[in-house]
Amino acid sequence: DSGVTQTPKHLITATGQRVTLRCSPRSGDLSVYWYQQSLDQGLQFLIQYYNGEERAKGNILERFSAQQFPDLHSELNLSSLELGDSALYFCASSISGGDNEQFFGPGTRLTVL
Amino acid sequence: AQKITQTQPGMFVQEKEAVTLDCTYDTSDPSYGLFWYKQPSSGEMIFLIYQGSYDQQNATEGRYSLNFQKARKSANLVISASQLGDSAMYFCAMRVRGNQGGKLIFGQGTELSVKP
Repeated sequence: DSGVTQTPKHLITATGQRVTLRCSPRSGDLSVYWYQQSLDQGLQFLIQYYNGEERAKGNILERFSAQQFPDLHSELNLSSLELGDSALYFCASSISGGDNEQFFGPGTRLTVL
Repeated sequence: AQKITQTQPGMFVQEKEAVTLDCTYDTSDPSYGLFWYKQPSSGEMIFLIYQGSYDQQNATEGRYSLNFQKARKSANLVISASQLGDSAMYFCAMRVRGNQGGKLIFGQGTELSVKP
C-alpha cells in the first residue's frame, strides 16, 4: 500500500458525460501528479500540482481539468467524454515538487461506452 | 527530445535466476533521475528503485539493482534470484529537472514472466 488513495476504483459512463476522479496523497506529500495509461499511448503525464498551485502540464486535453485543494487532495475532471478516454488514470504523490520518488495510487479504471 | 526506450516487449526467466531489463534514455539535461516501477496484473504501480544522474554508485534495493552507464545513456534493471511474484510489467521512467516540475516520462514497458 503506497498510502495514496484514489476513488472510485472503477467508473463506467457514456460518451458526452462528465466524471470526477479523486486522489488523496500520502500524508506529508505536497505534490500530486496525474497520469493516464492507455493501450495505444502508454503512460502519459497529464498535470502536476504542488501545494495547491499548478506546477507542470503535459498532454492534457482541454476537456480535462484538475485542481488541488487546501487539504492537498486533488480532483481530475473529465468532460465531454469520448470512447478514446477509456483508460487507467493514476494519481501519484511526492514530498516535494521534483526530486523525490513518486508513489502511485491504485488507479481509477474509466470505461466510456 | 526526452525519451525512454525499452526494447524488450516481453521476457522469460527461470525462477531463481537473474534477469536484466534494458532501458535507454535520451536527454540533453545534465540533471535527471531514473526510476523503475513494477506493475503487476492487479494494475498498481510499485516504485522499485531510483538513480540520480550525479550518483557515483549504482543504486541497489534488495534484489533490485540498477546498472547505470551514463556514457551509454542506459539504466538497466537487474533482478537477482527471480521469484514467481516478479512476473509483471516493468516500466523505466525519467524525470528531468528544470521548469518541467517532477513529471515522469515512461518507456513502453517490458513484460517479465518468471517460469517455475
